[in-house]
Amino acid sequence: GAGVSQSPRYKVAKRGQDVALRCDPISGHVSLFWYQQALGQGPEFLTYFQNEAQLDKSGLPSDRFFAERPEGSVSTLKIQRTQQEDSAVYLCASSLAAGLNTEAFFGQGTRLTVV
Amino acid sequence: AQRVTQPEKLLSVFKGAPVELKCNYSYSGSPELFWYVQYSRQRLQLLLRHISRESIKGFTADLNKGETSFHLKKPFAQEEDSAMYYCALNAPPNRGSNYKLTFGKGTLLTVNP
Repeated sequence: GAGVSQSPRYKVAKRGQDVALRCDPISGHVSLFWYQQALGQGPEFLTYFQNEAQLDKSGLPSDRFFAERPEGSVSTLKIQRTQQEDSAVYLCASSLAAGLNTEAFFGQGTRLTVV
Repeated sequence: AQRVTQPEKLLSVFKGAPVELKCNYSYSGSPELFWYVQYSRQRLQLLLRHISRESIKGFTADLNKGETSFHLKKPFAQEEDSAMYYCALNAPPNRGSNYKLTFGKGTLLTVNP
């Protein structure tokens, strides 16, 4: 594809429901990031993968959040037992390599609304 | 811990006027600074980075380590510059790693005709 693709674009979940958000990075990109953007805020780092290895998950807000990238390409962010405070836009970004000053390309995001 | 502050949530100027979007950062080492832009209904995209010292779409930004600032400037604003602008800092634990951007809250720039 031409860029980072995320699906679904919009998701409405009832409180307590589990959700899975998908990210298709640009082909060949080694690094993959997830960010959470609450309304009126800038994106905040959640987790980082280099190929299939999750090198940093320090930004995940609770153990209800789980991310994986099993084959070093597509990634899934899973949120269990969603809460209203999980409502946000979830952004995925990928970059060619884990190198100095390499550009991160962002997807259009998944807007999650928990009701 | 690193932090990025964009003091203006909203900035409105007229076409042809100069514009400056402010960004201050907090980090003890030597960070990499970026400006990202999000046009209406489009995805977040890189505008420029301090290490390239380039001008993109007429915008420039100079890293001032003494003032810990990275303000974005354009001498003559255009209507198509209307967008949300985010300043971001990359402070990897190990040099050579594109890692964990820290974003400011953003400034919505409106350029009026």
